[in-house]
Amino acid sequence: AQKVTQAQTEISVVEKEDVTLDCVYETRDTTYYLFWYKQPPSGELVFLIRRNSFDEQNEISGRYSWNFQKSTSSFNFTITASQVVDSAVYFCALSEGQSNTGKLIFGQGTTLQVKP
Amino acid sequence: DTGVSQDPRHKITKRGQNVTFRCDPISEHNRLYWYRQTLGQGPEFLTYFQNEAQLEKSRLLSDRFSAERPKGSFSTLEIQRTEQGDSAMYLCASSPPPQEGYGYTFGSGTRLTVV
Repeated sequence: AQKVTQAQTEISVVEKEDVTLDCVYETRDTTYYLFWYKQPPSGELVFLIRRNSFDEQNEISGRYSWNFQKSTSSFNFTITASQVVDSAVYFCALSEGQSNTGKLIFGQGTTLQVKP
Repeated sequence: DTGVSQDPRHKITKRGQNVTFRCDPISEHNRLYWYRQTLGQGPEFLTYFQNEAQLEKSRLLSDRFSAERPKGSFSTLEIQRTEQGDSAMYLCASSPPPQEGYGYTFGSGTRLTVV
């Protein structure tokens, strides 16, 4: 069965601190996709990154970086030098490639609060 | 193209009433998805369409729920005889065919409150 676990329910940091959001997934598929989305208070889901199961290269985009480790089934997200505007709920999600539906299985989300 | 549009943004209804939500996907996207998000949880898959065909429905989609996508364009999600447990954010998303990549785009959602 497929599952995404975000063990951290809430994280609070002070501006400029680095913060890592954890994501652990379960799937039997060998082909799958992992995603991170940001959901600010306005409610829309903002796409941050997609990674396929064959690409274990870590990625950096500005202050954001992602660490994909198949050996531990983890896809962690780090924000460097956090800012107040980073305050939001962050979701990790999984899409299984073999089913071809494209549906996403989301974790429970991590609420990040960045204080000034 | 302005992205995925959902209407209304908010809906308050009395228990037992029927409600209908609309989603307008990105025009060149042939796949359309509905998700439900309750407070403090991640979105949960409800159903999806490829063009006008509804290809998968979650067990979450009880008999009171029905979704349509006539002509493969916009989609509607209807809930009959609403219950308080139906209170949630209903999210719509669209994507191109898989061979063009998983370009998921979500709408802003319809927040339903059943009183």
